[in-house]
Amino acid sequence: KAGVTQTPRYLIKTRGQQVTLSCSPISGHRSVSWYQQTPGQGLQFLFEYFSETQRNKGNFPGRFSGRQFSNSRSEMNVSTLELGDSALYLCASSYGQGSGNTIYFGEGSWLTVV
Amino acid sequence: AQSVTQPDIHITVSEGASLELRCNYSYGATPYLFWYVQSPGQGLQLLLKYFSGDTLVQGIKGFEAEFKRSQSSFNLRKPSVHWSDAAEYYCAVGVGQAGTALIFGKGTTLSVSS
Repeated sequence: KAGVTQTPRYLIKTRGQQVTLSCSPISGHRSVSWYQQTPGQGLQFLFEYFSETQRNKGNFPGRFSGRQFSNSRSEMNVSTLELGDSALYLCASSYGQGSGNTIYFGEGSWLTVV
Repeated sequence: AQSVTQPDIHITVSEGASLELRCNYSYGATPYLFWYVQSPGQGLQLLLKYFSGDTLVQGIKGFEAEFKRSQSSFNLRKPSVHWSDAAEYYCAVGVGQAGTALIFGKGTTLSVSS
C-alpha cells in the first residue's frame, strides 16, 4: 500500500510569488491535513480537509489556503510568499471517521523563499 | 488551551542503555496521543498511539509508552537503545473534530553515544 505522497519535494520561490503543493493520501483515506515545520516554531497545524470540506483550521493567515478533490487528493497554496514561509510542509492522511484516527505523514515538501 | 510539553530538548544515551522521553499534555477531553520520530530531512514516522483502553501501548522498533491520566503524561520508553534510534522525537495530541488536528510538542533530540 503506497504511503502519503507529496510533490514537489523541493522548490525555490521568490518573495511575492505564490506556490502550490500537492498531496496524495493513502488509498481509502478521506482526511488530509497540512503542517508547517520550521526551526523556530516547530510543527504547526495549518488545516484539515475531510470529504472536500475544511473541517479543522489552525492559526495561519489567509495567504495559506487549501482544497481537496473528490479523489481525496489535496493541494495547499501560499500566496504572496514571504521569507518566513520557508519551511518543510508536511501532509498527513487518515480515514478521518469515528474516534481515534491513526495519522500518517508524507516526506514533505521543502520550500525555500528567496 | 491545548498544548503539549516535552521538557527535555536534548538527551544523550549510551548505546544499550534504557531511554525515557517525557511528554505532558493539556487537553480537556479524553486525549488521542501519538509519538512520532523524524530523521534528518525526512517526514514523520508513527511510533505508537493511544486512543483508549490499556494505558501501556506497544509500538514499532521496541518502543512503548504509558498513558497516565492523573499526571497528564504519555512518556515514551525503550529498554535498550540502538545507535539507529538517534533522531528527533515528537509527542502530539489529536484535537478538533475527529481528533485529526495534531498539536505537537517542540520535540526531543536523542543522541546515542557508543
